[in-house]
Amino acid sequence: EPEVTQTPSHQVTQMGQEVILRCVPISNHLYFYWYRQILGQKVEFLVSFYNNEISEKSEIFDDQFSVERPDGSNFTLKIRSTKLEDSAMYFCASRGTVGTGELFFGEGSRLTVL
Amino acid sequence: SQQGEEDPQALSIQEGENATMNCSYKTSINNLQWYRQNSGRGLVHLILIRSNEREKHSGRLRVTLDTSKKSSSLLITASRAADTASYFCATRGGTSYGKLTFGQGTILTVHP
Repeated sequence: EPEVTQTPSHQVTQMGQEVILRCVPISNHLYFYWYRQILGQKVEFLVSFYNNEISEKSEIFDDQFSVERPDGSNFTLKIRSTKLEDSAMYFCASRGTVGTGELFFGEGSRLTVL
Repeated sequence: SQQGEEDPQALSIQEGENATMNCSYKTSINNLQWYRQNSGRGLVHLILIRSNEREKHSGRLRVTLDTSKKSSSLLITASRAADTASYFCATRGGTSYGKLTFGQGTILTVHP
């Protein structure tokens, strides 16, 4: 069964460092998303991406964040200068053009900022 | 309360019993979805119900939606220990196809 894969599964970084989280969405999907879940809190929408551009973003997704689809398979989330409060589980999701609108999520990348 | 609030926050039952989780939301929606998350894992889509639907079934899952009360319920019948997980409702409003607003979740524990 096709799945969304994310790397790394866990990354520990120092405050102020840049971090890139990588995702390989399901191959025939066209809509891509990043969500995050701070420990013990809700899953929060960050950004949606379609046709090589951001289609929607939340207030959380400020200038420190960026997304890119550098090739035909990868979808990345970059945090330019990490803060302690960026510590969270980051989930990538994708969606196809047909179907009910369900999102397929990856297993997540846990980011710990020290 | 915020969009997509579940109750109870935690539910503990015996294998074979039914589990009912509720979700309330505040704004108008296009559809409401339920997801499951095993501890430390990703989210798995369970079922979606559109705003013009009132009830939907999938295997042991039954979802209801009451748009007048802005609430939904997820019923898992004949629960199994493997159903132990967190369950989240998520709402999609407007024309955004991917921006889901998640609730806080219900932690379900099914004892063998």
